[in-house]
Amino acid sequence: AQSVTQLDSQVPVFEEAPVELRCNYSSSVSVYLFWYVQYPNQGLQLLLKYLSGSTLVKGINGFEAEFNKSQTSFHLRKPSVHISDTAEYFCAVSEVTREGTALIFGKGTTLSVSS
Amino acid sequence: KAGVTQTPRYLIKTRGQQVTLSCSPISGHRSVSWYQQTPGQGLQFLFEYFSETQRNKGNFPGRFSGRQFSNSRSEMNVSTLELGDSALYLCASSLAEGSWRGYTFGSGTRLTVV
Repeated sequence: AQSVTQLDSQVPVFEEAPVELRCNYSSSVSVYLFWYVQYPNQGLQLLLKYLSGSTLVKGINGFEAEFNKSQTSFHLRKPSVHISDTAEYFCAVSEVTREGTALIFGKGTTLSVSS
Repeated sequence: KAGVTQTPRYLIKTRGQQVTLSCSPISGHRSVSWYQQTPGQGLQFLFEYFSETQRNKGNFPGRFSGRQFSNSRSEMNVSTLELGDSALYLCASSLAEGSWRGYTFGSGTRLTVV
């Protein structure tokens, strides 16, 4: 079964500083990876996804992620964060089995941006 | 266009009762999935439905069930509620089945069991 490990449960940063949220996944022949963001009292919003092709994926709100197959990582980065980026971020992998498909999520990383 | 709509937003139930949650996917989306989110277990997959058929089921007891209607709307039901069922239940939709497509999530139904 697939698994996802988000290496940091909380990441505090100052406004306008760069940030990296780390994600490792269990190895698989084919892998489809996602980053979602969840603001308080809301559902999940898709930030970006990697299906194939370029290993550098650009998403919404200035976020990008790099797929690294050899290190089984999919870290999320933003060069300059804003207060409004404060939220919980989830890394996910698509699992495909004989029974069907599902998204397997990491435990989440809380990004706290302060001024 | 309208997003994924979940009703109700908040619900308080007593142990032993049953509850039904509703989800209306984005217009044209035919696949609906459900996830449970708790502080302890995080986000866990419940079911995926496509064309009124359950395509996959997560590791939850039989008290959790669901269905999808011909208009792609979906409901999930939890019978004999337990305190541990308190969670945010998220519905997600996509054009077709397959989690590799990514989903659009609703805002969730917050269920509290007392």
